[in-house]
Amino acid sequence: GDQVEQSPSALSLHEGTGSALRCNFTTTMRAVQWFRKNSRGSLINLFYLASGTKENGRLKSAFDSKERYSTLHIRDAQLEDSGTYFCAAEGGDYNQGKLIFGQGTKLSIKP
Amino acid sequence: AQTIHQWPVAEIKAVGSPLSLGCTIKGKSSPNLYWYWQATGGTLQQLFYSITVGQVESVVQLNLSASRPKDDQFILSTEKLLLSHSGFYLCAWSLGDTQYFGPGTRLLVL
Repeated sequence: GDQVEQSPSALSLHEGTGSALRCNFTTTMRAVQWFRKNSRGSLINLFYLASGTKENGRLKSAFDSKERYSTLHIRDAQLEDSGTYFCAAEGGDYNQGKLIFGQGTKLSIKP
Repeated sequence: AQTIHQWPVAEIKAVGSPLSLGCTIKGKSSPNLYWYWQATGGTLQQLFYSITVGQVESVVQLNLSASRPKDDQFILSTEKLLLSHSGFYLCAWSLGDTQYFGPGTRLLVL
């Protein structure tokens, strides 16, 4: 079935630096969402993309349906950015709104 | 005001006992509704979705059922819990694109 491979599984950054998370898809996806898990385990929306790029503050996301990937870039990382980030892709099948989740990236920001 | 509510916050239940988890959406007309589940250490996966009252589609077979008795309510239930039902249950809504998730219910089956 449709798969989403998210990498890296864990990432450690120093404050002020940046990096990227990536999700690869085994098939063409219609859209992607990026989330951050909150302290209770629920999901905070970061981005929804059907194509192209979006930016919000120090976060920027890109989605390329044809090349089957999406990225989440974090710049000037702050301590409060620590947490677990997930991508979820929406497949192009009949199941409206089926999000297929990646395994998550645990991000740790160090002083 | 919070749009999506889930209850209970957490449950500890015995194997073989019944379960009912609830989700309500406030302030949105005819949303698409979804149930997701994450086993401990596992990946979040969609269980059910509903695009209208009384209509629910199953995505994964886990000996669970779902119902949408009202436009703003989505219920997940089973008559007999299994150990494998333990995990974190999330309800979500959308009006076509972005899905928004509720606070979740943590379930432990013993």
